[in-house]
Amino acid sequence: SQTIHQWPATLVQPVGSPLSLECTVEGTSNPNLYWYRQAAGRGLQLLFYSVGIGQISSEVPQNLSASRPQDRQFILSSKKLLLSDSGFYLCAWRQGDYNSPLHFGNGTRLTVT
Amino acid sequence: SQQGEEDPQALSIQEGENATMNCSYKTSINNLQWYRQNSGRGLVHLILIRSNEREKHSGRLRVTLDTSKKSSSLLITASRAADTASYFCATDAPGGANSKLTFGKGITLSVRP
Repeated sequence: SQTIHQWPATLVQPVGSPLSLECTVEGTSNPNLYWYRQAAGRGLQLLFYSVGIGQISSEVPQNLSASRPQDRQFILSSKKLLLSDSGFYLCAWRQGDYNSPLHFGNGTRLTVT
Repeated sequence: SQQGEEDPQALSIQEGENATMNCSYKTSINNLQWYRQNSGRGLVHLILIRSNEREKHSGRLRVTLDTSKKSSSLLITASRAADTASYFCATDAPGGANSKLTFGKGITLSVRP
């Protein structure tokens, strides 16, 4: 069966510090991978998605970047965090067929202080 | 931008009652999906309804889709306290393998025991 791992679960970082959140998927190959951010009491905002190794599409201009160094690994990074980067970050995957559901990780709660 | 908009924003019902949640969207879609999120956790896929389907059932869940009105509803019958969660609709717009799910802001459902 397929599983998705996302870590860390919580993170407190000072403004200006770097960020690296990692997500890995097991039990499938060539998944589409997604990073979403959820602000308190709001819906999910798509940040990045990837349909293959090294292929990254950015949905919104921001202080963050994403990379996919391996087929089932998706990394969200920042060189210098801003207060506005605080939020709940969710990684998700699905097979390429658009008529398939997203499978989410348990999320990372990031607080920038 | 957010495609789906759920209504109401919050719903409080007694255990055993039915809960109806609505979602409206603006552009053409391949499918519409409903997700559930328990506090502080990732989203869990509930049900997917394709654009050529009008109604779908899964256990105590019933989803309808009216593409002429660009709206969907999620009915949870005989609600339980464990159904307390946030519920999101997500629309999957045409885009082939690059299609992306766009989420609404969610509905907070409270089921009183």
